[in-house]
Amino acid sequence: AQRVTQPEKLLSVFKGAPVELKCNYSYSGSPELFWYVQYSRQRLQLLLRHISRESIKGFTADLNKGETSFHLKKPFAQEEDSAMYYCALDSGNTGKLIFGQGTTLQVKP
Amino acid sequence: GAVVSQHPSRVICKSGTSVKIECRSLDFQATTMFWYRQFPKQSLMLMATSNEGSKATYEQGVEKDKFLINHASLTLSTLTVTSAHPEDSSFYICSASGGQYSNQPQHFGDGTRLSIL
Repeated sequence: AQRVTQPEKLLSVFKGAPVELKCNYSYSGSPELFWYVQYSRQRLQLLLRHISRESIKGFTADLNKGETSFHLKKPFAQEEDSAMYYCALDSGNTGKLIFGQGTTLQVKP
Repeated sequence: GAVVSQHPSRVICKSGTSVKIECRSLDFQATTMFWYRQFPKQSLMLMATSNEGSKATYEQGVEKDKFLINHASLTLSTLTVTSAHPEDSSFYICSASGGQYSNQPQHFGDGTRLSIL
């Protein structure tokens, strides 16, 4: 079954600390994975996708097929990074997204 | 960038009424639109995929007669919750892809909070 798991509902760190938001997936084919972010009172927006292999706002994510993971990382968290983060899987390149449960990142001053 | 507008942002109505939610792509032609439902503190659950000019494809467990989806133009899709009941209260979100953004993942609307009394 296709599934995306984000084990942490809430991740609280201090400003300047490293951040890692975990995402594991279950998919039999070649996955396409994304991280979406939702800031307070704003719409869901794309943060990054694994095929781009780029860094957005200091965040990176590497697809690890062996561990079926796509963890989101940032070396030094900023207060403005506080938001809800969703990991998502495109099932079979249909454009349909399967979302994880989401992780709230709280960066304290 | 791609802009998706969703209207209304919030609606409160009595049990038994039908409610229509609009999703518009403002600056691109959306060949595909998606409708999601999100319960409090839970993830987004895909309800249906809508392609312009054809019938929507519903996910397993979603009642097509309850949630009517129309995608009559390349810039507009509507979701009508028919004979709504309190259990239909939820946050509904649309997204769109296509046009010059067809190689990009979905762009999301702001969502509609539906409350049925």
